[in-house]
Amino acid sequence: EVQLVESGGGLVQPGRSLRLSCAASGFTFDDYTMHWVRQAPGKGLEWVASISWSSGNIAYGDSVKGRFTISRDNAKNSLFLQMSSLRPEDTALYYCAKERITGTTLNYHGMNVWGQGTTVTVSS
Amino acid sequence: DIQMTQSPSSLSASLGDRVTITCRASQSIGNYLNWYQQKPGTAPRLVISLTSLLQSGVPSRYIGSGSGTDFTLTISSLQPEDFATYYCQQSYRAPLTFGGGTKVEIK
Repeated sequence: EVQLVESGGGLVQPGRSLRLSCAASGFTFDDYTMHWVRQAPGKGLEWVASISWSSGNIAYGDSVKGRFTISRDNAKNSLFLQMSSLRPEDTALYYCAKERITGTTLNYHGMNVWGQGTTVTVSS
Repeated sequence: DIQMTQSPSSLSASLGDRVTITCRASQSIGNYLNWYQQKPGTAPRLVISLTSLLQSGVPSRYIGSGSGTDFTLTISSLQPEDFATYYCQQSYRAPLTFGGGTKVEIK
């Protein structure tokens, strides 16, 4: 079964850091671009970042650029999101998602597998 | 950045109704348009990719069409399991952007 399981969320004070993880199983992890997408309470979906299979190509949303770092460990079938200088507006449910098709660079053809999400709350 | 505008933001419909949701991009995105369904408390589910490609397991009553800047998702005969929020997303280039969502409710 293809599965993504996020972890690492929690309550954190503004300005602090947090690291999210996503464990992948049931597919060849290093064949795919991977994504982080977030959803603030009661709001819509917001793309956060994407990383190619080799980590050679990375892209970030404007609201997190310079503060968040996406990375992956293909040997451990894991995706990460290092979040620093957190703000209250970063409060959201964070999903990791798998790109639909394989590719050697960043490719975007739809996110066809999603985890259940991990909640990040930024508050003093 | 490419802005995605969905309409309506919500709609009420009855079982068996034909429902159409529209999505407009602020510039041409070719056919790089995806649709997601999200039910309360669950993760989004990709239902259509690249404008019209139905994903595995998605019923054929879901139909995607359009190109360039204007796209539609049609559900030909609404079923109980179709009540959800739908999001369009452009995957033409980063930053990837989503529409604001359309909540489909029971009339």
